[in-house]
Amino acid sequence: QVTLKESGPALVKPTQTLTLTCTFSGFSLSTSGMRVSWIRQPPGKALEWLARIDWDDDKFYSTSLKTRLTISKDTSKNQVVLTMTNMDPVDTATYYCARIAATGTIFDYWGQGTLVTVSS
Amino acid sequence: EIVLTQSPGTLSLSPGERATLSCRASQSVSSSYLAWYQQKPGQAPRLLIYGASSRATGIPDRFSGSGSGTDFTLTISRLEPEDFAVYYCQQYGSSPRVYTFGQGTKLEIK
Repeated sequence: QVTLKESGPALVKPTQTLTLTCTFSGFSLSTSGMRVSWIRQPPGKALEWLARIDWDDDKFYSTSLKTRLTISKDTSKNQVVLTMTNMDPVDTATYYCARIAATGTIFDYWGQGTLVTVSS
Repeated sequence: EIVLTQSPGTLSLSPGERATLSCRASQSVSSSYLAWYQQKPGQAPRLLIYGASSRATGIPDRFSGSGSGTDFTLTISRLEPEDFAVYYCQQYGSSPRVYTFGQGTKLEIK
């Protein structure tokens, strides 16, 4: 059974760095073909893909946000970490982690999401 | 990068009716790389359709996907009360390797 769960601060101040952790089970990121992504959704708005990390440590980022994002993994802990620098109120959103299916093209399992509010 | 435009923004229908949701891409998308998700309030999205027309595990056969090139459609043949939700299309771009979502279609009870 595949599960993912996001954790991190609910509130961050403008200009701070956000660090989110995705803890998963039911698969291993050391297995060939496994990939995990982060996706966010501002309140009442659409989904926005942020970053992806692969089993071989390849990393891919949203074109518009890549200068602010870093994704990493700890295979031994079954965790993926996303950091986003220089947070702004427009970054207020629910942040989801999701497993990418073997095709590499779709998100087949999602975490429940964690709401991050950026406010002073 | 490819932009996905969904229409209509909101669709008001009654249970038992047929729903047709559109997703148009700014340039041609491989059918293999087009998916649809359903999202209910307070929940994470759920994968419905992948490869433009293949249903994900456990998805009822009243959901179907079709299309190619720049025009894709999600059809719900007979709406059940639990189908009223927001629907997103999503595409994968291989160069650069990015994922793009449409802005969503809200399917509401009329």
